[in-house]
Amino acid sequence: NAGVTQTPKFQVLKTGQSMTLQCAQDMNHEYMSWYRQDPGMGLRLIHYSVGAGITDQGEVPNGYNVSRSTTEDFPLRLLSAAPSQTSVYFCASSFRRPEKLFFGSGTQLSVL
Amino acid sequence: AQSVTQLDSHVSVSEGTPVLLRCNYSSSYSPSLFWYVQHPNKGLQLLLKYTSAATLVKGINGFEAEFKKSETSFHLTKPSAHMSDAAEYFCVVSDETSYDKVIFGPGTSLSVIP
Repeated sequence: NAGVTQTPKFQVLKTGQSMTLQCAQDMNHEYMSWYRQDPGMGLRLIHYSVGAGITDQGEVPNGYNVSRSTTEDFPLRLLSAAPSQTSVYFCASSFRRPEKLFFGSGTQLSVL
Repeated sequence: AQSVTQLDSHVSVSEGTPVLLRCNYSSSYSPSLFWYVQHPNKGLQLLLKYTSAATLVKGINGFEAEFKKSETSFHLTKPSAHMSDAAEYFCVVSDETSYDKVIFGPGTSLSVIP
């Protein structure tokens, strides 16, 4: 099993550009989520999904969009990148509720 | 507001000595609590979790944590540190407003000196 796969691993954007971070899991997990990790702040929840067709906002959703058309995939879209979105992004999944999260290896994003 | 406090941003221990990483939480009920570990340039991995069963929880790699409701604490310990334990450790608490969210602490960086 591949687990949780995130692409790309690194990305540099210019302010105002848009892009999509990809996340896929092959464990048939219902729950998927996106976090951003900033120094000294731990991980903060951006968006999450409890199943295909269902998404909801986390702590820091502004500037990000998600959709969940299949159980396996949960892409994160940056609509118009800003320097404040420079961060490391992690996708995570779990069977149902977030009681044992499996994490991807992360995407390091820089917005210039 | 609900929160998780990790009392030390950085802890340094010698190899073979005990490890103590401290975590306090605020919650109006008995939450689920977790410890995750992040090795350099890697994703996070669950070390252990407490979900209202035994108050002393054993995890992977020799780590354990004790839930103390009276102190609202969930400290992580290991009797003898190994070089491979050097990593970032996150204390995590379930969100009392939603079963679908958890809240991460800011993290404690553990260094192990040979």
